[in-house]
Amino acid sequence: DVQMTQSPSTLSASVGDRVTITCRASQSFSRWLAWYQQKPGKAPNLLIYKASTLKSGVPSRFSGSGSGTEFTLTISSLQPDDFATYYCQQYNSDSPTWTFGQGTRVEVK
Amino acid sequence: QVQLQESGPGLVKPSDTLSLTCTVSGYSISSGYFWGWIRQPPGKGLEWIGSIFHTGNIYYNPSLKSRVTISVDTSQNQFSLKLNSVTAADTAVYYCANSRANFEYWGQGALVAVSS
Repeated sequence: DVQMTQSPSTLSASVGDRVTITCRASQSFSRWLAWYQQKPGKAPNLLIYKASTLKSGVPSRFSGSGSGTEFTLTISSLQPDDFATYYCQQYNSDSPTWTFGQGTRVEVK
Repeated sequence: QVQLQESGPGLVKPSDTLSLTCTVSGYSISSGYFWGWIRQPPGKGLEWIGSIFHTGNIYYNPSLKSRVTISVDTSQNQFSLKLNSVTAADTAVYYCANSRANFEYWGQGALVAVSS
């Protein structure tokens, strides 16, 4: 099974900062990599799919990149609404199975 | 727009079976997509439990496979989760969601506590 490791686990940042979260896979796979934002008491919200495709309605300050075993989520200029927990998720079409990273909490510095 | 809603008991005794149902509106389950269950223990991350394809094929997380059953009732446009032999470690918010490679629409989540 592919394991997904996110870093950092917690990130302290200020409004306006550029923020980068990394997701590493234990083995190379296709670009079926998604990013979610979750706020307390709410279901996760899909931000990016297929590694770099922004879901309709998601602000353009969010972007995704990567391939193989390393993927990144970047917030170009952190806004107050962006303080939340972010998860990556990999899809293995061979099985099929879905695997989440352990999450990265973005907190106020 | 696709909407999903979880329902079921909020409290289950240890060693019993946890049962949840997800009711889908705005889309026919038999028309497409995977329909899955994800859980989140309090203060922890997300764990995929299993998914059923619209054709009826079912896929489980290997770590839970021995205790999980997912089924679908197309007449009610619902799919269900059963998790047997539960322990306190199964206490979590359980989400239902639809997906292809990623989970696009989610239910609001149902907190299930395992306690005597």
